[in-house]
Amino acid sequence: QSALTQPRSVSGSPGQSVTISCTGTSADVGGYKYVSWYQQHPGTAPKLMIYDVSKRPSGVPDRFSGSKSGNTASLTISGLQAEDEADYYCCSYAGSYTFVVFGRGTKLTVL
Amino acid sequence: QLQLQESGPGLVKPSETLSLTCTVSGGSISNSSSYYWGWIRQSPGKGLEWIGSIYYNGKTYYRSSLKSRVTISVDTSKNHFSLKLSSVTAADTALYYCARHGPQGPMSPDHILTGSLSWFDPWGQGVLVTVSS
Repeated sequence: QSALTQPRSVSGSPGQSVTISCTGTSADVGGYKYVSWYQQHPGTAPKLMIYDVSKRPSGVPDRFSGSKSGNTASLTISGLQAEDEADYYCCSYAGSYTFVVFGRGTKLTVL
Repeated sequence: QLQLQESGPGLVKPSETLSLTCTVSGGSISNSSSYYWGWIRQSPGKGLEWIGSIYYNGKTYYRSSLKSRVTISVDTSKNHFSLKLSSVTAADTALYYCARHGPQGPMSPDHILTGSLSWFDPWGQGVLVTVSS
């Protein structure tokens, strides 16, 4: 049950776009279309931002988008805003034995 | 608006059993046949780790590395579900969250049988559990 691989940190200036990658294997990210992304501000619970690779829950700005290619999923945040500064975690279904695997998280800094 | 709230002791002694409850408000577990209900933990300064999930009929799905120590149960009459983790050590010190666990598309009997799990939303605020003597 290895965690998905995410960069420890990414940064960008307001208005720019950043992409956070989430690399797994064919047993998780690459094998299924059930990748989700969560935003976590300090001291608060994670919030669902993207599910099923690219779907956005109601209320999540369309600046947030998700995609997947092979064993790597990506979260792109366009038009960066100060409030986007947070930790981001990816999560993938990993089959009917492992079920769920999370990434180790990426700290997004808005410069 | 669906809300989840964790409750339970904040301090557990090593080798004892950690017990937490997640109370659901703004919706009924028994009427939510389209969802699972899950537990996730976050060790201090670390990432998220899924512990397990349950369907309203009691069908459970557990993280394989914790399976021997974990029991998740549901009480639809009280609209809550619970986590028990036995033989705890300092490594089990973490912030424990409960969350609604969404399925992979419309729920079906096969989904329930195999545990076709997808996203978590919403989450409770979390409860810190420290394992220490």
